[in-house]
Amino acid sequence: GAVVSQHPSWVICKSGTSVKIECRSLDFQATTMFWYRQFPKQSLMLMATSNEGSKATYEQGVEKDKFLINHASLTLSTLTVTSAHPEDSSFYICSPGSAGHTGAQYFGPGTRLLVL
Amino acid sequence: KNEVEQSPQNLTAQEGEFITINCSYSVGISALHWLQQHPGGGIVSLFMLSSGKKKHGRLIATINIQEKHSSLHITASHPRDSAVYICAVRGADGLTFGKGTHLIIQP
Repeated sequence: GAVVSQHPSWVICKSGTSVKIECRSLDFQATTMFWYRQFPKQSLMLMATSNEGSKATYEQGVEKDKFLINHASLTLSTLTVTSAHPEDSSFYICSPGSAGHTGAQYFGPGTRLLVL
Repeated sequence: KNEVEQSPQNLTAQEGEFITINCSYSVGISALHWLQQHPGGGIVSLFMLSSGKKKHGRLIATINIQEKHSSLHITASHPRDSAVYICAVRGADGLTFGKGTHLIIQP
């Protein structure tokens, strides 16, 4: 199956700092990348959809100026949490658009963010 | 917006038991995914279904499109099956996820 990597896997930062999370699709080209957030014991919630070479689309209630998404190439999408606050502490997961004709869905291993 | 309900929310069983996890949704879909999330958070896709039944090893997934219902079965359960199992449906607005079923298999 397709391999998706995320970096870092864990990050602890001080309130007010910015954190960049990288998501790479290692063996296929992802024109679309979905970014999810998951709070403890909750389901995954879609934050935004990034498209290679164009602006990301954000779900209702997600601040685009706070969660900056860049999809500069077909294998790399980044999510930057700017001026992080403790309430941004969560598990962030990326998922490329369906891989080819199989429609299979793959997910990155996730990044756990703790803002102190 | 699709409403995805999973049951049970939590399930503890003994090793070897037959496990069933259910998923129902409210609006027609193009596909349904069963996902497995391990304690570290990583998510693995188990099945993608649009009709009928699929089997992979000890896992079986079924879907009834008319009844908007899917089940995931685990035969001869093992402690390593302990994880959160998530149902996700694909509709016009993308994937909608259930809250997951937290499964613990005790030796």
